[in-house]
Amino acid sequence: QVQLQESGPGLVKPSGTLSLTCAVSGDSISSSNWWSWVRRPPGKGLEWIGEIYHSGTTTYNPSLKSRVTISVDKSKNQFSLRLSSVTAADTAVYYCARSAGLKCHDYWGQGTLVTVSS
Amino acid sequence: QSALTQPASVSGSPGLSITISCTGTSSDVGGYNYVSWYQQHPGKAPKLMIYEVSNRPSGVPNRFSGSKSGNTASLTISGLQAEDEADYYCSSYTSSTTYVFGTGTKVTVL
Repeated sequence: QVQLQESGPGLVKPSGTLSLTCAVSGDSISSSNWWSWVRRPPGKGLEWIGEIYHSGTTTYNPSLKSRVTISVDKSKNQFSLRLSSVTAADTAVYYCARSAGLKCHDYWGQGTLVTVSS
Repeated sequence: QSALTQPASVSGSPGLSITISCTGTSSDVGGYNYVSWYQQHPGKAPKLMIYEVSNRPSGVPNRFSGSKSGNTASLTISGLQAEDEADYYCSSYTSSTTYVFGTGTKVTVL
């Protein structure tokens, strides 16, 4: 069974950098799947942030592209998200997910709340 | 990229059917058969319910079905049950090789 688990600080200061890691089990990060980050701000809908392939190839949401970096660590079977220059608008539950070859997100982490506040 | 348009809320009585629409453009919904639907209960992670417009993953009840016509996709829940009360999101692959989600629909079982 594929499982994903997010980890990282739950509180980030404004103008700082949000950093999260997603540990994958039950599948290899080097498989033929892509690996995504999605967020849901309080009271709002889901927003796709970006995804990465094990080769390091990335695709980002154009609205966040200038602030987002997604990376992969094959030795630890995990991938990470960095979002810079955060504001209160970046407060959200952040999910990692597997982007299956059928262009859908079939496995998700349980999500982690990140609050941007001083 | 703009979010796909969904109705904010849909309600129905137990046992009846409801349909949720998801409207995009020819660059996303209309251009690809890569529309998926997700169910999200409060405090839980989204769950894949439909992929490639109309396919159900193993374990998803056949009460859930999907379709598409032009730039609009639809999710139908037949024989509505109390546990179907949740938020539902559509998603589409896009011509920019990105993904876009819908605005979300709250389903209420009366």
